[in-house]
Amino acid sequence: DAGVIQSPRHEVTEMGQEVTLRCKPISGHNSLFWYRQTMMRGLELLIYFNNNVPIDDSGMPEDRFSAKMPNASFSTLKIQPSEPRDSAVYFCASSRNENIYGYTFGSGTRLTVV
Amino acid sequence: GQQLNQSPQSMFIQEGEDVSMNCTSSSIFNTWLWYKQDPGEGPVLLIALYKAGELTSNGRLTAQFGITRKDSFLNISASIPSDVGIYFCAGHLGDSNYQLIWGAGTKLIIKP
Repeated sequence: DAGVIQSPRHEVTEMGQEVTLRCKPISGHNSLFWYRQTMMRGLELLIYFNNNVPIDDSGMPEDRFSAKMPNASFSTLKIQPSEPRDSAVYFCASSRNENIYGYTFGSGTRLTVV
Repeated sequence: GQQLNQSPQSMFIQEGEDVSMNCTSSSIFNTWLWYKQDPGEGPVLLIALYKAGELTSNGRLTAQFGITRKDSFLNISASIPSDVGIYFCAGHLGDSNYQLIWGAGTKLIIKP
């Protein structure tokens, strides 16, 4: 099992550019979560998908953020336009419905917006 | 909003010592989870607790779900260098909200 795979591992972009983060969950996991981690705010849930359907996006900061899950094996988190305050580590996590909070996290994407 | 108070913020210990950390809240939780995060990686689930009073072990790690359902602790026995990292508690209120409430983390450092 390759675990949750995220790409890229690091992204440096200029303010105003579009950024797309990618995630491949573990095969057979029904739930997918996108988190953001910063020193100031810790781990924040951005959006939760179940069976590819967005269930809770109340954590998405603003309209500049969007997430999609076109199929069970792929999800994207897009920021357009990016701002310096978006700099953070973004994690994707997946789990089975039977153990929904027993997340497996990916290794994260460290985003720096300059 | 809901908060988890995790303590201590950091611990400096000698290899071989036992470690104890805890999380408390003013709210009642129906699930407690303990995760460990290594530098440059995502958190890894160590132990999940689902019942008040439950005591669960995973190797040298032991965690308990407090009787009041407002707290949980994690103990590590006979610490070794690979125990270094940040330990997070997280809890779920048992409502329809899918959010986990996360502690701020306990950073474990082993003195050489």
